[in-house]
Amino acid sequence: DSGVTQTPKHLITATGQRVTLRCSPRSGDLSVYWYQQSLDQGLQFLIQYYNGEERAKGNILERFSAQQFPDLHSELNLSSLELGDSALYFCASSARQGKDTQYFGPGTRLTVL
Amino acid sequence: AQTVTQSQPEMSVQEAETVTLSCTYDTSESDYYLFWYKQPPSRQMILVIRQEAYKQQNATENRFSVNFQKAAKSFSLKISDSQLGDAAMYFCAYRGGNEKLTFGTGTRLTIIP
Repeated sequence: DSGVTQTPKHLITATGQRVTLRCSPRSGDLSVYWYQQSLDQGLQFLIQYYNGEERAKGNILERFSAQQFPDLHSELNLSSLELGDSALYFCASSARQGKDTQYFGPGTRLTVL
Repeated sequence: AQTVTQSQPEMSVQEAETVTLSCTYDTSESDYYLFWYKQPPSRQMILVIRQEAYKQQNATENRFSVNFQKAAKSFSLKISDSQLGDAAMYFCAYRGGNEKLTFGTGTRLTIIP
């Protein structure tokens, strides 16, 4: 158990809908990262937050957004969902920026029908 | 941009034997970190081992060790005394100054009893 929690574990929804994925980092970790794992694109970095502020953006679609709250949990919002958004979404956390190892949560499996 | 290449989509090894998974990367940075993550059928991403680029000594964690060749930009993972529980996808990952993890495409390791 990495100490990073993600809810829900599984999510099934329809095209055009909006969903919210939630992540709680390890106790004391300030950085949260979101990654997407899909069959065609592999594991890709989406976005990073550090202590409530956006720190870096990767291949995140405009239909996707995220935020980190004062209690350091983070939410990833996916809207206008398409079939291609079906994937495993991971949250990872690290203590600080830069040098620390990222520890991954169990992931949320999103299926868009 | 940094790239990570894993040229072995699949590998198999007899139980109790030794296997080496290959990884190469491309970067112009001098300060970076390299990781091997394991993804078993549960899909959890589990850190196996980490190597700091400034350290010449190869990292070791119990039965897992790396061969880090900085000049050749090579970072292979050696698993000794392979066990059935080692069966998983193994991902090589790079982390540089921008903090995000860049992953390879993975190697599926099968353990033959």
